[in-house]
Amino acid sequence: ETGVTQSPTHLIKTRGQQVTLRCSSQSGHNTVSWYQQALGQGPQFIFQYYREEENGRGNFPPRFSGLQFPNYSSELNVNALELDDSALYLCASSLGQGGHTEAFFGQGTRLTVV
Amino acid sequence: GNSVTQMEGPVTLSEEAFLTINCTYTATGYPSLFWYVQYPGEGLQLLLKATKADDKGSNKGFEATYRKETISFHLEKGSVQVSDSAVYFCALSGDWGKLQFGAGTQVVVTP
Repeated sequence: ETGVTQSPTHLIKTRGQQVTLRCSSQSGHNTVSWYQQALGQGPQFIFQYYREEENGRGNFPPRFSGLQFPNYSSELNVNALELDDSALYLCASSLGQGGHTEAFFGQGTRLTVV
Repeated sequence: GNSVTQMEGPVTLSEEAFLTINCTYTATGYPSLFWYVQYPGEGLQLLLKATKADDKGSNKGFEATYRKETISFHLEKGSVQVSDSAVYFCALSGDWGKLQFGAGTQVVVTP
């Protein structure tokens, strides 16, 4: 049991809509990272939040945005959904942001865009 | 930039067979290396890690050694079980703990 929880577990949206995914980090963890995992591929880094500030971003367009709250939980928002946004979205929490820090993953949110 | 290359799957084995999944990487600096496992319909679970050259990570019978000279972190298990059927991801940790993953290797263990 990693303690990282994501909601919802599954979601179906229509192209052009907006979606918000939520992540509750493990107790005591102040860093949250989001990853997109397309079917049959490895997870791709979207961005990371450390103490409520975005701290690093992968190769994703600005319509992917996020927030981290004072309790270190986080949201991932995606605007103007495209069919290619269909994927498993994974949240990972860690204590600190160093390269040796272990990240704990949630079970993911499966987003389908139709 | 950083990258991770791992052998393509699926790898199909009989129970009690020896498993090796090759993983090589390119990176600046001295990243930590990880193996994650993903069971069907689930998120990622950390299997093992190594933080510096020549470190050996081990867990649940799986082992991997951080080889700086061959830039590799191959995963091995001496005797697999049906319950080891999953997708295995090799990853390295770069700037601010960002994880760079390989494409994943599906392992299928048959009774």
